[in-house]
Amino acid sequence: EADIYQTPRYLVIGTGKKITLECSQTMGHDKMYWYQQDPGMELHLIHYSYGVNSTEKGDLSSESTVSRIRTEHFPLTLESARPSHTSQYLCASSSSSGETDTQYFGPGTRLTVL
Amino acid sequence: GNSVTQMEGPVTLSEEAFLTINCTYTATGYPSLFWYVQYPGEGLQLLLKATKADDKGSNKGFEATYRKETTSFHLEKGSVQVSDSAVYFCGLFRGGYNKLIFGAGTRLAVHP
Repeated sequence: EADIYQTPRYLVIGTGKKITLECSQTMGHDKMYWYQQDPGMELHLIHYSYGVNSTEKGDLSSESTVSRIRTEHFPLTLESARPSHTSQYLCASSSSSGETDTQYFGPGTRLTVL
Repeated sequence: GNSVTQMEGPVTLSEEAFLTINCTYTATGYPSLFWYVQYPGEGLQLLLKATKADDKGSNKGFEATYRKETTSFHLEKGSVQVSDSAVYFCGLFRGGYNKLIFGAGTRLAVHP
């Protein structure tokens, strides 16, 4: 079944730790996105990729980094987590042909940095 | 620039009440318009979309009509259920800009 997967779903970690949030999709999509959702619910685009070896920063500045080595995989890394990174992180994907305007979202990772 | 404004929540309703969540947008050209729903602890799910003026998107009893003259895409449901309690996001997509722009979200709470 075509889907988007995010792991872990919940993560509690101490300040200064390096973390990687995983996102994989079996939708056959070439575009992928990371959003940060603050406690007030608002969504902010922090990274996007239009294909392998292509990554761009989004509208909200983020200390995280991303990579796109395989089409289906778009991990997000924080080298040194801080309490200000506490948030919900949502991964999404979309196609570059056909229904190009529609993004499909994963279940999210809720990160808490102590 | 492109933007989406939706009514502030929370919206609190009794079961079987009529629901309207207002959404207006600012954009040049002809964007696609969306409603996404986020249930507690989950990601966003596409609820419905409309791609041109006067199109009506519908799904699970929810409807929204693309009104270009009023730049609006209000979400409606005739009879809400407790299971509809969630956060609803209005969004627009413009091909040239190539990004999905969301409103701030509206929390809906439905009580028995």
